Amino acid sequence: EVHLVQSGAEVKKPGESLKISCKGSGYSFTTSWIGWVRQMPGKGLEWMGIIYPADSDTRYSPSFQGQVTISADKSISTVYLQWSSLKASDSGMYYCARPTSGWSFEYWGQGTLVTVSS
Amino acid sequence: EIVLTQSPGTLSLSPGERATLSCRASQSISSRFLAWYHQKPGQAPRLLIYGASSRATGIPDRFSGSGSGTDFTLTISRLVPEDFAVYYCQQYGSSPYTFGQGTKLEIK
Repeated sequence: EVHLVQSGAEVKKPGESLKISCKGSGYSFTTSWIGWVRQMPGKGLEWMGIIYPADSDTRYSPSFQGQVTISADKSISTVYLQWSSLKASDSGMYYCARPTSGWSFEYWGQGTLVTVSS
Repeated sequence: EIVLTQSPGTLSLSPGERATLSCRASQSISSRFLAWYHQKPGQAPRLLIYGASSRATGIPDRFSGSGSGTDFTLTISRLVPEDFAVYYCQQYGSSPYTFGQGTKLEIK
């Protein structure tokens, strides 16, 4: 059975760095893309980017390019989303998700809530 | 970037009724690469339809998708209580693989 398990909720101050994680199991992690989706409080879904762990080929939405970094560690079947300097506007729920049929996301993590507040 | 516009913003219906949700793209979506999801409060989204009309694993046949080019529709033939949620379309024909803003399906 496919599982995507994300790291726990985070509370940070503006300007701090953060790295959240998504661990995959139950499928071939290395040869499956994993994406990240943001949902700001009370808002819709935003496609952030996607990574292929086998070679770390990464594609970003222009809206998030340069704002976040997506990376992967094949040895522990984990994908990361990181910020070097958080802003209050980065607050939201972040989901990792695995596409199966084309790029539609069939499998989702449980979400990581990020709160950035002074 | 392809912009998806969903309508209506909110749809108020009763259990047993038929729901029709629309998703319009700012440019043609190649190969019908359009998906539908629903999301219930406090939960992650769930894939309902991919390839514009194929049901995902475990999705009941009261859900159906149609359309091509720039106009797509999700139809729920007979609403049951667990169908009341927010519905999103997503295009994955052209990166970035954008989502629509959502349609809230609420109980009348």
